[in-house]
Amino acid sequence: GQQVMQIPQYQHVQEGEDFTTYCNSSTTLSNIQWYKQRPGGHPVFLIQLVKSGEVKKQKRLTFQFGEAKKNSSLHITATQTTDVGTYFCANTDKLIFGTGTRLQVFP
Amino acid sequence: KAGVTQTPRYLIKTRGQQVTLSCSPISGHRSVSWYQQTPGQGLQFLFEYFSETQRNKGNFPGRFSGRQFSNSRSEMNVSTLELGDSALYLCASSFVSSHRSGLNGEQFFGPGTRLTVL
Repeated sequence: GQQVMQIPQYQHVQEGEDFTTYCNSSTTLSNIQWYKQRPGGHPVFLIQLVKSGEVKKQKRLTFQFGEAKKNSSLHITATQTTDVGTYFCANTDKLIFGTGTRLQVFP
Repeated sequence: KAGVTQTPRYLIKTRGQQVTLSCSPISGHRSVSWYQQTPGQGLQFLFEYFSETQRNKGNFPGRFSGRQFSNSRSEMNVSTLELGDSALYLCASSFVSSHRSGLNGEQFFGPGTRLTVL
């Protein structure tokens, strides 16, 4: 069946370092969404990517959709402690969420 | 605008019992999706309802069922509970249904119901 894998599963960084999580789908996606879930919280929508090769930025966050629309990435520049949480990508055609990447930021 | 609400927030049941969870979507949203979240399996899709019709279904046994009412409120039922059903159950509402490929809307999640099966 369709799968959406994310790597890495965990990432610990020092505050100020960059962070990237990668999302890979076994099938071509019509679009992809990214969510962030803080510890003890619920997933919160960050962004949706639709076009092949699309790049979108939100302050220190950069989202990219692969040319083949089978992969995506989220890059955070100069992490802050407020970035702590688990980041999920989602194939919204089938409402399948990726395995998630848990980010821990040490001050 | 009020967010997605879920009741109850916490629930403790024993094996073999059944449970009903409730979700009230954001006003105007007609799509409600349910997810099971566990540390080991991540966020797994259960089913989606749009305008009282099930539009999408995940890979869960028939013990898991749901329904949606005319006011878009949704309920999820789990019968014959098993220890492995212990999880956080999240519902999410959206203005657009997932079956409209390419027009997927942002999903707004509720706080979840923490179910513990003893």
